[in-house]
Amino acid sequence: AQSVSQHNHHVILSEAASLELGCNYSYGGTVNLFWYVQYPGQHLQLLLKYFSGDPLVKGIKGFEAEFIKSKFSFNLRKPSVQWSDTAEYFCALKGGGSYIPTFGRGTSLIVHP
Amino acid sequence: GAGVSQSPSNKVTEKGKDVELRCDPISGHTALYWYRQSLGQGLEFLIYFQGNSAPDKSGLPSDRFSAERTGGSVSTLTIQRTQQEDSAVYLCASSLGAQETQYFGPGTRLLVL
Repeated sequence: AQSVSQHNHHVILSEAASLELGCNYSYGGTVNLFWYVQYPGQHLQLLLKYFSGDPLVKGIKGFEAEFIKSKFSFNLRKPSVQWSDTAEYFCALKGGGSYIPTFGRGTSLIVHP
Repeated sequence: GAGVSQSPSNKVTEKGKDVELRCDPISGHTALYWYRQSLGQGLEFLIYFQGNSAPDKSGLPSDRFSAERTGGSVSTLTIQRTQQEDSAVYLCASSLGAQETQYFGPGTRLLVL
């Protein structure tokens, strides 16, 4: 079985603060990892993904995530957040070539201007 | 109109009634997923269609839930004898293939009174 944990359910930051959202997973084999974002009133969309290769993955809007296999983690980072980053962020995992992703419960990020 | 569309956007129904939710995937996408998102929860996988293969129904929570995909395109999720715990946002996603990026629709918000 595979599972994803997002420990921070709600994060509140001021603009220009640095961001790190935690994502830990449980699966013993090869993994594909994803971060999705849902802006208020918009569709869920892919922010970035890791399949293989460089464990530091860069996505849209200045976001990046680092796959640390030894820690079973795929934390999302951004050095300086903006008010427009206010959204719900979901981490997801596909293990062992599975075509069905497992999602975390999401982290609600609010950025104050 | 290149995105995934879903209808209706909102549905209010009485307990015990049947409902049908529709998903129009992106043209040419062979993979189609249905998810359920309850308040404060992550996305719960319901069912997966890939081309002409038999669907993966392993996520359907009960036999009151069923889905079909006609002609490899439009999909309908049917919930029979709705219960209050069925209240949630039902999301549809499509992708070019099983391992490709998923594109999500806006969801149908279902409220069972």
